[in-house]
Amino acid sequence: GQNIDQPTEMTATEGAIVQINCTYQTSGFNGLFWYQQHAGEAPTFLSYNVLDGLEEKGRFSSFLSRSKGYSYLLLKELQMKDSASYLCAVKADSWGKLQFGAGTQVVVTP
Amino acid sequence: EAGVVQSPRYKIIEKKQPVAFWCNPISGHNTLYWYLQNLGQGPELLIRYENEEAVDDSQLPKDRFSAERLKGVDSTLKIQPAELGDSAVYLCASSPGMNTEAFFGQGTRLTVV
Repeated sequence: GQNIDQPTEMTATEGAIVQINCTYQTSGFNGLFWYQQHAGEAPTFLSYNVLDGLEEKGRFSSFLSRSKGYSYLLLKELQMKDSASYLCAVKADSWGKLQFGAGTQVVVTP
Repeated sequence: EAGVVQSPRYKIIEKKQPVAFWCNPISGHNTLYWYLQNLGQGPELLIRYENEEAVDDSQLPKDRFSAERLKGVDSTLKIQPAELGDSAVYLCASSPGMNTEAFFGQGTRLTVV
């Protein structure tokens, strides 16, 4: 079956760094996405990894290791507005269907 | 550029009643998705369209759910009759193609009482 695991919640202080891990076991792999979702809002796209390695985009970076079935999202210089749920999603087939994890709720404290 | 537009934002209905949700994707996006999201969970795919063709509806409970995308643009998702367990957020998303990120609408929060 399909399995995507990520921690339920993480708390960090403003200005700090937080790393959200995601492990996956899927029948296929055609890329991994990270989305941010504020409460009551739509998920918004953050990053996409299809090859191994690190993708950096401003304060956010995402890493992928296909052999380990592992990815992480790194949030640097945390701001209060970064408090949200972060969703890891795997595209398991070539048709674009996304399998989502349950999301990691990040709480940023002053 | 306008994003994915969904309506209504909120809907409260009694069980056994019908309900319909509407989605207008981003202009030019051929791929349209309907997802269901329960509280504290990630979105789960219900159905995916490529233009007007439903190419993946394996997760759609066809006894009570139906969807259509006439002319390959707007889409509607219908539940008839609604059950208490259908209370959730229904998200619509679109993408330019199969291998690009999906853009989500704000969703319709359905409460069945």
